[in-house]
Amino acid sequence: EVQLVESGGGLVQPGRSLRLSCAASGFTFDDYAMHWVRQAPGKGLEWVSGISWNSGSIGYADSVKGRFTISRDNAKNSLYLQMNSLRAEDTALYYCAKDKGAAEGIAFDIWGQGTMVTVSS
Amino acid sequence: QSALTQPASVSGSPGQSITISCTGTSSDVGSYNLVSWYQQHPGKAPKLMIYEVSKRPSGVSNRFSGSKSGNTASLTISGLQAEDEADYYCCSYAGSSTFVFGTGTKVTVL
Repeated sequence: EVQLVESGGGLVQPGRSLRLSCAASGFTFDDYAMHWVRQAPGKGLEWVSGISWNSGSIGYADSVKGRFTISRDNAKNSLYLQMNSLRAEDTALYYCAKDKGAAEGIAFDIWGQGTMVTVSS
Repeated sequence: QSALTQPASVSGSPGQSITISCTGTSSDVGSYNLVSWYQQHPGKAPKLMIYEVSKRPSGVSNRFSGSKSGNTASLTISGLQAEDEADYYCCSYAGSSTFVFGTGTKVTVL
């Protein structure tokens, strides 16, 4: 069964850091690009960051550029999101999503159930 | 990276057809045939319904179809069913390894 399981969310104070992880199974992880997408409570979807199969192409939303870093470990079938200098507006459910393609991205065909990040003092 | 513009809500009766628009710019929707659509039921993860403007993933009903003209993409749901009631989001590649989602549309089946 194709599956993505996110972890690492929680309550964090503004300005602090958090690292999200996404464990993939059921498909050849290093054949596909991967992404993080977030959804603030009661709001719409926001693409956060994406990484190609070999980490050669990486992109970030303007809202997180310079603060968040995406990475992957193909040997561990895992995707990561290092989030620094967190702000209240980063509060959201963070989804890990698999791309249909390998390179810069096509569409997000498999989604995890998400991990909640709450930034509050 | 401004969000693509979608109508906040669209409604229709069972059996009818509805169309959701998704308006971007020449830097995203207008430049790439990489528009996708997602269905999201309350409390659930999004589900891919259409990719590359008009392609349907395996298992998605052929009642869902997509198209694009200029800077505007569209999702049409024909033969509307109660289970189609959900939020729908468009998404487009925007260059430089980035994507942008639409503002989302709530579909109500009357």
